[in-house]
Amino acid sequence: AQSVSQHNHHVILSEAASLELGCNYSYGGTVNLFWYVQYPGQHLQLLLKYFSGDPLVKGIKGFEAEFIKSKFSFNLRKPSVQWSDTAEYFCAAHSSNTGKLIFGQGTTLQVKP
Amino acid sequence: GAVVSQHPSWVICKSGTSVKIECRSLDFQATTMFWYRQFPKQSLMLMATSNEGSKATYEQGVEKDKFLINHASLTLSTLTVTSAHPEDSSFYICSAHQSPGQPSGYTFGSGTRLTVV
Repeated sequence: AQSVSQHNHHVILSEAASLELGCNYSYGGTVNLFWYVQYPGQHLQLLLKYFSGDPLVKGIKGFEAEFIKSKFSFNLRKPSVQWSDTAEYFCAAHSSNTGKLIFGQGTTLQVKP
Repeated sequence: GAVVSQHPSWVICKSGTSVKIECRSLDFQATTMFWYRQFPKQSLMLMATSNEGSKATYEQGVEKDKFLINHASLTLSTLTVTSAHPEDSSFYICSAHQSPGQPSGYTFGSGTRLTVV
């Protein structure tokens, strides 16, 4: 069965610290990968996505993610976080086999000013 | 850009009553819409896939008789929680798919917070 796993459930960082959130997927067929962010009280927003090509994907607000096929991973990174990055982050994968978009468990990021 | 409108944004209902949630794609046609449920501090769990003009496909463990989904037009899908109970209290989110087979076309509604008392 398809699944998406996020390793970090709750991350606390100080401003300017570097961020890396792990995401692994278990899928068959062609997989497209996404990272979404959900700020407190708001709806989901797309940070970045990977379909094909360059495995290093750059998104909005200085975020990037790297697709490593051999590791079935799509980790999210940001060199220097800001207090405004405090939010819930979700990794998601879409399988061409099922046509479904499945989410990971989510990671709560808290950035201390 | 593509916009999905979800209504109501929050609702409180009495146990045993039914609640209808609407999901509309405002500026595009969506042949497929997805319904998710999100419990506090948890991820989005896919409940069902709604296809225009046909029966919805429910995920394992989701009661189709309790969560009625109707997708009567290319811009509207509704989720009706029937005979609601307190354990149905959750955040319900819809997502409309702009282009069948193209994963880039997911747009999410702002969600509906349902509280059953």
